[in-house]
Amino acid sequence: KNQVEQSPQSLIILEGKNCTLQCNYTVSPFSNLRWYKQDTGRGPVSLTIMTFSENTKSNGRYTATLDADTKQSSLHITASQLSDSASYICVVSDRGSTLGRLYFGRGTQLTVWP
Amino acid sequence: EADIYQTPRYLVIGTGKKITLECSQTMGHDKMYWYQQDPGMELHLIHYSYGVNSTEKGDLSSESTVSRIRTEHFPLTLESARPSHTSQYLCASTSKFDSGNTIYFGEGSWLTVV
Repeated sequence: KNQVEQSPQSLIILEGKNCTLQCNYTVSPFSNLRWYKQDTGRGPVSLTIMTFSENTKSNGRYTATLDADTKQSSLHITASQLSDSASYICVVSDRGSTLGRLYFGRGTQLTVWP
Repeated sequence: EADIYQTPRYLVIGTGKKITLECSQTMGHDKMYWYQQDPGMELHLIHYSYGVNSTEKGDLSSESTVSRIRTEHFPLTLESARPSHTSQYLCASTSKFDSGNTIYFGEGSWLTVV
């Protein structure tokens, strides 16, 4: 069964600290993996997208890594800010269709305290 | 900033009422999607469209219907709302010509059926 599991479910850190969010998946065949940021009551916003051949991709203070062999990805946030408080969703796509079917994780709820 | 818009953002309606959630995008995207998301849970695909006059049901069974008469417009309709329909509905779009394969989400429509 194709699944996407994220950990931790929730995380609280102090402003300025770094953190790492995890995503494990069993989706096969694999096409790409995306990380989205979803503020409360808003729609998800794309942070990164990585294909099979990419190991790491950065977007400002966000750095995503991908190990396609172990089917694991991480999202590292550097020097956290209060505005980083949000749910971070891992989305994995297979190659079953033109776009690829999407499998969503439940997200990690990050809270940054001052 | 994604040019995809959803209305209404928030709605409270009575059981048995008919409701249409609007979704429009000005990016000329051929592919559009409707997702349902309960708080703290993953997104579930309920409908998708790969172009005008093309609509398909998603993974999650839904009593809603959709139409795609124009490329930019993908409304979702509930003929008779029930409390079980209370949820957040997210519209998304993408283009087969987008090399980055980015999926853009709207801000979401929060529906409460009382």
